[in-house]
Amino acid sequence: LAKTTQPISMDSYEGQEVNITCSHNNIATNDYITWYQQFPSQGPRFIIQGYKTKVTNEVASLFIPADRKSSTLSLPRVSLSDTAVYYCLVGEGSSNTGKLIFGQGTTLQVKP
Amino acid sequence: GAVVSQHPSWVICKSGTSVKIECRSLDFQATTMFWYRQFPKQSLMLMATSNEGSKATYEQGVEKDKFLINHASLTLSTLTVTSAHPEDSSFYICSARDLSVGPNSPLHFGNGTRLTVT
Repeated sequence: LAKTTQPISMDSYEGQEVNITCSHNNIATNDYITWYQQFPSQGPRFIIQGYKTKVTNEVASLFIPADRKSSTLSLPRVSLSDTAVYYCLVGEGSSNTGKLIFGQGTTLQVKP
Repeated sequence: GAVVSQHPSWVICKSGTSVKIECRSLDFQATTMFWYRQFPKQSLMLMATSNEGSKATYEQGVEKDKFLINHASLTLSTLTVTSAHPEDSSFYICSARDLSVGPNSPLHFGNGTRLTVT
């Protein structure tokens, strides 16, 4: 399983755009990149998933360069409620048994 | 979207007793579920893969006799912490995929179970 590396923590202010980059140098051909958000004492919540180029949904964008060795989660105009831990995971989702290993995650602190 | 439900959300038990945690996929079937454990201010650690109708696959270092996993139906997996001790106190989280929506569907997580062993 590909290992991921993210910054341990980031600070931002309300209304700013936040970009969190994840490194996954050993990503395999069949691997997808998935980002989760976790609040204290809750299970992780799916944010976005992609394979290559750019993916956008109602809450975030995911940018993946051509070599797929990294990815960037972009959160537009963050609010205080976006303060959470964000995890980047890489794995083969198409396999029913495709387990995902969590890295250390990035603790995002949004300040007023 | 796919919903994974865990029960109970929290439990307190005495040392030496056993505790069962249930994980249900509410609106989809899951032949495979994953159990994670999370200590305070740490990341999630994969404990085991629960397989419907067969034995669970445990990660290295996880005692299978300590953490009994049963996946008797396509919507229910249970984790039983046997002879619990204070060091087993942790946040246990299960997850599953809804492959009916297509390949590479993401994992959906339950809201976790906070276990405190006194």
